Amino acid sequence: GAVVSQHPSWVICKSGTSVKIECRSLDFQATTMFWYRQFPKQSLMLMATSNEGSKATYEQGVEKDKFLINHASLTLSTLTVTSAHPEDSSFYICSAPTGTDTQYFGPGTRLTVL
Amino acid sequence: RKEVEQDPGPFNVPEGATVAFNCTYSNSASQSFFWYRQDCRKEPKLLMSVYSSGNEDGRFTAQLNRASQYISLLIRDSKLSDSATYLCVVSQGSARQLTFGSGTQLTVLP
Repeated sequence: GAVVSQHPSWVICKSGTSVKIECRSLDFQATTMFWYRQFPKQSLMLMATSNEGSKATYEQGVEKDKFLINHASLTLSTLTVTSAHPEDSSFYICSAPTGTDTQYFGPGTRLTVL
Repeated sequence: RKEVEQDPGPFNVPEGATVAFNCTYSNSASQSFFWYRQDCRKEPKLLMSVYSSGNEDGRFTAQLNRASQYISLLIRDSKLSDSATYLCVVSQGSARQLTFGSGTQLTVLP
């Protein structure tokens, strides 16, 4: 079946540094990918929609200059958390819709900012 | 009001029990409905889609009532491996964006 991978699976960084997270669709093409964030004991919240070849669409309250999204190919979207701070520590998950109405989720990236 | 609301939980049930989760959604334009399962520190995984006619997959039965904007999930003969957080999810269809409920935690006890 369709598989979505994420890299890295976890990262610890110092406050003020930038972190790039990759999301790849492994056996299908994804013109659209979604980025979610999940804080402990909360549900997934959509951050942005990544569109291949065009600008990402951000949800209300998500700073586009802080969370940079690039979707340069049909199988890769990247999320860069710029100047990360401890409050950005979270579980970041990407997903890609298939041709049907379902989505496959990546395994997530756990970010800890010290 | 949240777009998707679920039972707060947690639910702690013995093995073999039947447990039901409820969910309501506020956007009447929602077109697709799902139950996802999320294990601790893992990504959500699709458990089943939910159809207007109701559908069953083994021990799992999902129901949808569009008029009441209500979705349910019934788990029969609970297994220890059913312990997880169950997420009620809706989609507006063409946008393919998913809106997640806050989840209901289930623990099946031996």
